[in-house]
Amino acid sequence: RKEVEQDPGPFNVPEGATVAFNCTYSNSASQSFFWYRQDCRKEPKLLMSVYSSGNEDGRFTAQLNRASQYISLLIRDSKLSDSATYLCVVNGAGGSYIPTFGRGTSLIVHP
Amino acid sequence: EPEVTQTPSHQVTQMGQEVILRCVPISNHLYFYWYRQILGQKVEFLVSFYNNEISEKSEIFDDQFSVERPDGSNFTLKIRSTKLEDSAMYFCASSEEGLRQETQYFGPGTRLLVL
Repeated sequence: RKEVEQDPGPFNVPEGATVAFNCTYSNSASQSFFWYRQDCRKEPKLLMSVYSSGNEDGRFTAQLNRASQYISLLIRDSKLSDSATYLCVVNGAGGSYIPTFGRGTSLIVHP
Repeated sequence: EPEVTQTPSHQVTQMGQEVILRCVPISNHLYFYWYRQILGQKVEFLVSFYNNEISEKSEIFDDQFSVERPDGSNFTLKIRSTKLEDSAMYFCASSEEGLRQETQYFGPGTRLLVL
Protein backbone atom coordinates (compact mmCIF):
# COMPACT_ATOMS: atom_id res chain seq x y z
CA ARG A 1 0.00 0.00 0.00
CA LYS A 2 1.35 3.43 -0.94
CA GLU A 3 2.19 5.70 1.97
CA VAL A 4 0.10 8.62 0.74
CA GLU A 5 -2.55 8.15 -1.91
CA GLN A 6 -4.65 10.62 -3.82
CA ASP A 7 -7.07 10.34 -6.68
CA PRO A 8 -5.17 12.04 -9.53
CA GLY A 9 -8.39 13.31 -11.15
CA PRO A 10 -8.79 15.54 -13.01
CA PHE A 11 -11.81 16.92 -11.27
CA ASN A 12 -13.55 19.09 -13.83
CA VAL A 13 -16.10 21.41 -12.20
CA PRO A 14 -17.97 24.59 -13.13
CA GLU A 15 -17.36 27.86 -11.36
CA GLY A 16 -19.29 28.05 -8.14
CA ALA A 17 -19.27 24.33 -7.53
CA THR A 18 -18.21 22.63 -4.34
CA VAL A 19 -15.53 20.00 -4.72
CA ALA A 20 -13.87 17.68 -2.22
CA PHE A 21 -10.65 15.70 -2.33
CA ASN A 22 -9.53 12.92 -0.08
CA CYS A 23 -6.08 11.64 0.72
CA THR A 24 -5.33 8.41 2.55
CA TYR A 25 -2.18 7.59 4.45
CA SER A 26 -0.89 4.25 5.62
CA ASN A 27 1.06 4.97 8.79
CA SER A 28 -1.20 5.51 11.78
CA ALA A 29 1.68 7.18 13.62
CA SER A 30 1.87 10.01 11.10
CA GLN A 31 2.42 13.28 12.83
CA SER A 32 1.21 16.20 10.82
CA PHE A 33 -0.77 16.86 7.69
CA PHE A 34 -0.93 19.56 5.07
CA TRP A 35 -2.53 20.55 1.82
CA TYR A 36 -0.34 22.30 -0.73
CA ARG A 37 -1.29 23.78 -4.03
CA GLN A 38 0.96 23.45 -7.07
CA ASP A 39 0.41 25.29 -10.30
CA CYS A 40 1.85 23.86 -13.50
CA ARG A 41 5.67 23.96 -13.43
CA LYS A 42 5.66 26.00 -10.24
CA GLU A 43 6.67 25.33 -6.66
CA PRO A 44 4.27 23.89 -4.08
CA LYS A 45 2.65 26.50 -1.87
CA LEU A 46 1.14 25.72 1.49
CA LEU A 47 -2.62 25.99 1.40
CA MET A 48 -3.37 24.92 4.93
CA SER A 49 -2.33 22.68 7.76
CA VAL A 50 -4.81 20.04 8.82
CA TYR A 51 -5.71 19.70 12.47
CA SER A 52 -7.67 17.02 14.27
CA SER A 53 -10.40 19.51 15.03
CA GLY A 54 -10.65 20.52 11.39
CA ASN A 55 -9.90 23.97 10.13
CA GLU A 56 -11.39 26.45 7.75
CA ASP A 57 -9.86 29.28 5.76
CA GLY A 58 -12.39 31.16 3.70
CA ARG A 59 -13.74 28.82 1.06
CA PHE A 60 -11.39 26.01 2.07
CA THR A 61 -12.05 23.46 4.79
CA ALA A 62 -9.67 20.70 5.81
CA GLN A 63 -10.51 17.70 7.94
CA LEU A 64 -8.46 14.91 9.48
CA ASN A 65 -9.89 11.51 10.26
CA ARG A 66 -7.28 9.60 12.21
CA ALA A 67 -9.45 6.54 12.71
CA SER A 68 -9.86 6.03 8.97
CA GLN A 69 -6.47 7.56 8.16
CA TYR A 70 -7.48 10.15 5.66
CA ILE A 71 -7.54 13.89 5.26
CA SER A 72 -9.91 15.86 3.13
CA LEU A 73 -10.05 19.24 1.46
CA LEU A 74 -13.33 20.92 0.60
CA ILE A 75 -13.45 23.89 -1.72
CA ARG A 76 -16.67 25.87 -1.84
CA ASP A 77 -17.73 28.32 -4.53
CA SER A 78 -14.90 27.29 -6.87
CA LYS A 79 -13.12 30.02 -8.80
CA LEU A 80 -11.28 29.73 -12.08
CA SER A 81 -8.13 30.57 -10.16
CA ASP A 82 -8.55 27.45 -8.03
CA SER A 83 -7.47 25.37 -11.02
CA ALA A 84 -4.28 23.66 -9.90
CA THR A 85 -2.95 20.41 -8.49
CA TYR A 86 -3.62 19.88 -4.80
CA LEU A 87 -0.93 17.97 -2.94
CA CYS A 88 -1.52 16.06 0.24
CA VAL A 89 1.54 15.99 2.49
CA VAL A 90 1.94 13.74 5.50
CA ASN A 91 4.84 13.95 7.92
CA GLY A 92 5.85 10.68 9.45
CA ALA A 93 4.06 8.57 6.85
CA GLY A 94 7.19 6.52 6.39
CA GLY A 95 7.97 6.23 10.07
CA SER A 96 10.19 9.27 10.44
CA TYR A 97 9.48 12.97 10.24
CA ILE A 98 10.24 13.00 6.57
CA PRO A 99 7.35 14.53 4.64
CA THR A 100 5.70 12.30 2.08
CA PHE A 101 3.84 13.92 -0.75
CA GLY A 102 0.94 12.45 -2.59
CA ARG A 103 0.96 12.60 -6.36
CA GLY A 104 -1.66 15.30 -6.28
CA THR A 105 -5.23 15.77 -7.42
CA SER A 106 -5.78 17.93 -10.46
CA LEU A 107 -8.65 20.41 -10.34
CA ILE A 108 -9.94 22.22 -13.41
CA VAL A 109 -12.57 24.88 -12.83
CA HIS A 110 -14.31 25.96 -16.02
CA PRO A 111 -16.60 28.93 -16.73
CA GLU B 1 6.95 39.24 1.60
CA PRO B 2 10.22 37.34 2.09
CA GLU B 3 10.78 34.44 -0.25
CA VAL B 4 13.17 31.63 -1.01
CA THR B 5 15.23 32.19 -4.13
CA GLN B 6 17.05 29.64 -6.25
CA THR B 7 19.67 29.84 -8.97
CA PRO B 8 19.96 28.96 -11.74
CA SER B 9 16.37 28.57 -12.89
CA HIS B 10 17.49 26.07 -15.52
CA GLN B 11 20.64 24.02 -15.87
CA VAL B 12 21.67 21.66 -18.63
CA THR B 13 24.63 19.40 -18.01
CA GLN B 14 26.35 16.36 -19.43
CA MET B 15 26.10 13.02 -17.68
CA GLY B 16 28.97 12.59 -15.26
CA GLN B 17 29.43 16.29 -14.62
CA GLU B 18 29.10 17.91 -11.22
CA VAL B 19 26.36 20.46 -10.63
CA ILE B 20 25.74 22.83 -7.75
CA LEU B 21 22.27 24.17 -7.19
CA ARG B 22 21.97 27.27 -5.07
CA CYS B 23 19.33 28.51 -2.72
CA VAL B 24 18.91 31.52 -0.49
CA PRO B 25 16.43 30.63 2.26
CA ILE B 26 14.30 33.16 4.08
CA SER B 27 16.65 35.05 6.37
CA ASN B 28 15.26 34.18 9.81
CA HIS B 29 14.60 30.54 8.98
CA LEU B 30 16.71 27.86 10.61
CA TYR B 31 15.67 24.70 8.76
CA PHE B 32 16.47 24.07 5.13
CA TYR B 33 15.36 21.37 2.75
CA TRP B 34 15.88 20.03 -0.72
CA TYR B 35 13.21 18.22 -2.71
CA ARG B 36 13.06 16.97 -6.24
CA GLN B 37 10.19 16.39 -8.63
CA ILE B 38 10.74 14.30 -11.72
CA LEU B 39 8.46 15.45 -14.52
CA GLY B 40 4.96 14.10 -14.03
CA GLN B 41 5.76 12.54 -10.68
CA LYS B 42 5.35 13.47 -7.05
CA VAL B 43 7.52 15.74 -5.01
CA GLU B 44 10.17 13.72 -3.14
CA PHE B 45 12.04 14.75 -0.01
CA LEU B 46 15.83 14.61 -0.29
CA VAL B 47 17.31 16.13 2.83
CA SER B 48 16.78 18.47 5.74
CA PHE B 49 19.51 20.59 7.29
CA TYR B 50 19.70 22.31 10.62
CA ASN B 51 22.50 23.81 12.67
CA ASN B 52 25.04 23.04 9.96
CA GLU B 53 24.30 19.38 9.71
CA ILE B 54 21.92 17.00 8.01
CA SER B 55 18.98 16.16 10.26
CA GLU B 56 17.06 13.79 7.96
CA LYS B 57 17.71 12.30 4.56
CA SER B 58 15.83 9.99 2.26
CA GLU B 59 17.01 6.93 0.39
CA ILE B 60 17.39 9.07 -2.71
CA PHE B 61 20.05 11.18 -1.02
CA ASP B 62 22.99 8.85 -1.61
CA ASP B 63 26.73 9.52 -1.73
CA GLN B 64 26.34 11.40 -5.00
CA PHE B 65 24.56 14.19 -3.16
CA SER B 66 25.85 16.65 -0.62
CA VAL B 67 24.58 19.84 0.95
CA GLU B 68 26.38 22.78 2.38
CA ARG B 69 25.73 26.13 3.93
CA PRO B 70 28.92 27.87 2.85
CA ASP B 71 27.99 31.22 4.37
CA GLY B 72 25.18 32.85 6.31
CA SER B 73 22.80 33.07 3.41
CA ASN B 74 23.35 30.35 0.82
CA PHE B 75 22.34 26.69 0.96
CA THR B 76 23.63 24.47 -1.81
CA LEU B 77 22.95 21.02 -3.21
CA LYS B 78 25.79 19.35 -5.05
CA ILE B 79 25.39 16.35 -7.30
CA ARG B 80 28.85 14.91 -7.86
CA SER B 81 28.45 12.90 -11.02
CA THR B 82 25.09 13.44 -12.61
CA LYS B 83 23.07 10.64 -14.14
CA LEU B 84 20.30 10.83 -16.68
CA GLU B 85 17.77 10.00 -13.98
CA ASP B 86 18.81 13.07 -11.98
CA SER B 87 16.89 15.18 -14.48
CA ALA B 88 14.17 16.82 -12.41
CA MET B 89 12.99 20.03 -10.84
CA TYR B 90 14.86 20.64 -7.59
CA PHE B 91 13.10 22.71 -4.96
CA CYS B 92 14.70 24.29 -1.95
CA ALA B 93 12.53 25.11 1.04
CA SER B 94 13.00 26.68 4.44
CA SER B 95 11.05 26.93 7.65
CA GLU B 96 11.30 28.56 11.05
CA GLU B 97 10.66 25.29 12.81
CA GLY B 98 11.56 21.73 12.00
CA LEU B 99 9.76 18.87 10.36
CA ARG B 100 7.52 18.34 13.35
CA GLN B 101 5.79 21.64 12.81
CA GLU B 102 6.52 23.32 9.56
CA THR B 103 5.29 25.76 7.47
CA GLN B 104 7.75 25.27 4.67
CA TYR B 105 8.26 27.91 2.03
CA PHE B 106 9.43 26.63 -1.30
CA GLY B 107 11.66 28.35 -3.81
CA PRO B 108 10.73 28.48 -7.50
CA GLY B 109 12.98 25.54 -8.31
CA THR B 110 15.88 24.73 -10.60
CA ARG B 111 15.07 22.60 -13.60
CA LEU B 112 18.01 20.26 -14.18
CA LEU B 113 18.40 18.41 -17.45
CA VAL B 114 21.13 15.79 -17.72
CA LEU B 115 22.06 14.79 -21.26
